[in-house]
Order: sequence, then structure tokens, then C-alpha cells
Amino acid sequence: QLQLQESGPGLVKPSETLSLTCTVSGGSISNSNYYWGWIRQPPGKGLEWIGSIYYTGNTYYNPSLKSRVTISVDTSKNHFSLRLSSVTAADTAVYYCATIRAGIHLFDYWGQGTLVTVSS
Amino acid sequence: EIVLTQSPGTLSLSPGERATLSCRASQSLSSSYLAWYQQKPGQAPRLLIYSASSRATGIPDRFSGSGSGTDFTLTISRLEPEDFAVYYCQQYEAFGQGTKVEIK
Repeated sequence: QLQLQESGPGLVKPSETLSLTCTVSGGSISNSNYYWGWIRQPPGKGLEWIGSIYYTGNTYYNPSLKSRVTISVDTSKNHFSLRLSSVTAADTAVYYCATIRAGIHLFDYWGQGTLVTVSS
Repeated sequence: EIVLTQSPGTLSLSPGERATLSCRASQSLSSSYLAWYQQKPGQAPRLLIYSASSRATGIPDRFSGSGSGTDFTLTISRLEPEDFAVYYCQQYEAFGQGTKVEIK
């Protein structure tokens, strides 16, 4: 069974870049059945898809965040990463990584989530 | 852009009661892509239902999904104490805003 674990700083200063990594275990990130995605959830609010990547490096971003988001994959380390630039307090959220089953757009495995707070 | 609207925002029920949650899509789409998730405080969402009506692995049969086109429903036949949570529908990369099922 696939397991995902987010890692990265829990506190980021305004205007700086948020960087997170999702390490995959129990399977290969090169599995053609999955895309790999990032979703966030501001405190007390709903879920927002940030973007996704295929093991080939093809990326798909939420249009509302596209200008600030970069998602990359490292198949040798079996992990993928998120960078979100020019952060503000509105980017404070729990960030989740998840698998997205190819073909049916299903978020079926999730990491536990990591809270990132944007504050000086 | 797909917009998913869930209703009601909050459902106050007692254990043993039936819960009916609604999800309406802004455009008609294949039911193959409609999923439901359960989220408890401090936890990641958990997949309950996919393809509108198929239960994910390990999900009790008191959870059922139905619907097509633009209108979808999640039904919990008899609420257990562990079912009080927030439920989200999802289609492609869009999530509904959630329905909270709380203890009355």
C-alpha cells in the first residue's frame, strides 16, 4: 500500500518561498497508474487542489495559483516537491500530498498533512 | 471550470439516523469521476466512494452513493458515532465546500 509523507518548514516569512517534499513509500513514483498531487486546506476551510505531476514530469496547476507554483519530481529519490513563491498569510494552510489515480482523477492515498504558517 | 455545491452546510442528526448529503455540479459530467471523502478533525481526507456509487476498500456498507448528470447523493443509512465528520464531494480537481455531519 502506498504511503506518503510530507516534510518541510512549518513557518515561512511573507514574500518568501514555501517548499515541501512528499516522500513516497510502498511503491514507485514511476507507477504509470498515478499522478502525484498537492492539496491544501486553510484552517477551518475546505480543500483546494494546488497542482499535480506525472512521473514523466508533465505538470498541471490550479489556474489561480499557476503563476506562483512549481511542482517537480525526483524518481531516483521517489519523491516529489512543491514550491510556492511570494507567500502571504492567505497561504497559511495544511498542505497534503496525495496520489491521483490516472484516468478517473481519484485522490486515493493521502499524506497526513503538514501545517505551514506564513508569518514574520 | 467545474463548481461543486454541497448541501446542507451542516446536518444535525442523532446516532442511528439516516444522513442524506447532496452534491450538485455546475455542468453535467460522467459519474465515473464523482467521489466522496470523509474528513475527521486533524486527519487527512479518506476516500469513501468513487465512480459515484462504488465503495472504496474497507468502507462499511452503510455508506452508499448515487446520482448522475449534475446531482449526486451520499447516504449513510444508520449513523455510527465515528461517522460524525465533514464530507466532501470531488470531481476532477474540484472539491465541494463540504457538509458537516454533527451530533444533534
